[in-house]
Amino acid sequence: EVQLVESGGGLVQPGGSLRLSCAASGFTFSSYWMSWVRQAPGKGLEWVANIKQDGSEKYYVDSVKGRFTISRDNAKNSLYLQMNSLRAEDTAVYYCARDRPSTSFKVLDYWGQGTLVAVSS
Amino acid sequence: QTVVTQEPSLTVSPGGTVTLTCASSTGAVTSGHYPNWFQQKPGQAPRALIYTTSNKHSWTPARFSGSLLGGKAALTLSGVQPEDEADYYCLLYDGGARVFGGGTKLTVL
Repeated sequence: EVQLVESGGGLVQPGGSLRLSCAASGFTFSSYWMSWVRQAPGKGLEWVANIKQDGSEKYYVDSVKGRFTISRDNAKNSLYLQMNSLRAEDTAVYYCARDRPSTSFKVLDYWGQGTLVAVSS
Repeated sequence: QTVVTQEPSLTVSPGGTVTLTCASSTGAVTSGHYPNWFQQKPGQAPRALIYTTSNKHSWTPARFSGSLLGGKAALTLSGVQPEDEADYYCLLYDGGARVFGGGTKLTVL
């Protein structure tokens, strides 16, 4: 059974930093792109970033470029999101999602339950 | 980056048929955008429904179908059930990035 479990969320002051983690199990982690998606309270889904299987390609939504860094450790079946210079508008539930394998464009087929990040003074 | 537009809200009667659409600010949506559709109910994580325009996941009910329609991606629900009341999001490829639409709130009434 595919499982994705996020951790690391919490309350942080504006300008602060936070590192989210996602523990993956039930599939060959190193065979999939992985993504982070967020959802601000009462708002829609926003794709944040993704990373290729070997970490050689990364893409970000414009609003987080230069502040957030996505990374992965295939040996630990883990995905990370380092968030720096946090702003109030980064407040959201952050979801880890399995993106796609090399051979398919079946994306974001499995999701974690999310971790809440609140940026406030 | 690309802006993806969906109907903010739609209402359908139980047993009816409804089509949700997904438009791109860059022009017509094509198969090269690999449209995906997701359903989200309150308090839950999103659930994938459709990938690459019209393909269903193993858990997707048969009443859901995807297509390209008039330059947009489309999600059609036929024989709508009360449990289909939810938010629906499309997602398009934008180079290596992904872009979600703003979502459609579907009410079954």
